[in-house]
Amino acid sequence: RKEVEQDPGPFNVPEGATVAFNCTYSNSASQSFFWYRQDCRKEPKLLMSVYSSGNEDGRFTAQLNRASQYISLLIRDSKLSDSATYLCVVNLPGGSYIPTFGRGTSLIVHP
Amino acid sequence: SAVISQKPSRDICQRGTSLTIQCQVDSQVTMMFWYRQQPGQSLTLIATANQGSEATYESGFVIDKFPISRPNLTFSTLTVSNMSPEDSSIYLCSVRTGGIPYYGYTFGSGTRLTVV
Repeated sequence: RKEVEQDPGPFNVPEGATVAFNCTYSNSASQSFFWYRQDCRKEPKLLMSVYSSGNEDGRFTAQLNRASQYISLLIRDSKLSDSATYLCVVNLPGGSYIPTFGRGTSLIVHP
Repeated sequence: SAVISQKPSRDICQRGTSLTIQCQVDSQVTMMFWYRQQPGQSLTLIATANQGSEATYESGFVIDKFPISRPNLTFSTLTVSNMSPEDSSIYLCSVRTGGIPYYGYTFGSGTRLTVV
């Protein structure tokens, strides 16, 4: 089983739609969690950290479910500019905090 | 957050040759990371480069194939040696930002390598 798993998609949604992605992780001792965004032919950029209590940043909401070992990203009122690949990132236990990246979920928002 | 300048942005190389990728950071950082991202795949950590010591390589990556230099706290290079078409990939350097445990990672713009 892979350490971090994501549905690669693509998720194809109209503008204004709400879309959610999940990411599961295998190591229950994982310590911190993130969502990154990667545009085509660009480097990944941090979108948001995922806190235990859940957190929101504008149209984006991230949730952590430790019992079921998954994190989620909800995007409300999708924009064309949200089209990208969303990478789930998990910091494994241990002092080095080396991140493990999921394969990413592709989102296409169409007019 | 840190700003990373990575070059070259892309290259097409003959098999059997070597390519050195450079990353310059605008601030001093203890650790720099080198990743590979193959088409349609996630990022795979190649090695962690610390200033003043040997790089730490992940399983499946060896120093002879991917020698790394870290001469100071703002600069690192990764060499892809004796290249084959299987080495065609995007190579990214990265530095850590933020604090425990919510480290974030800033990436260079990547080097798109094609080996022919």
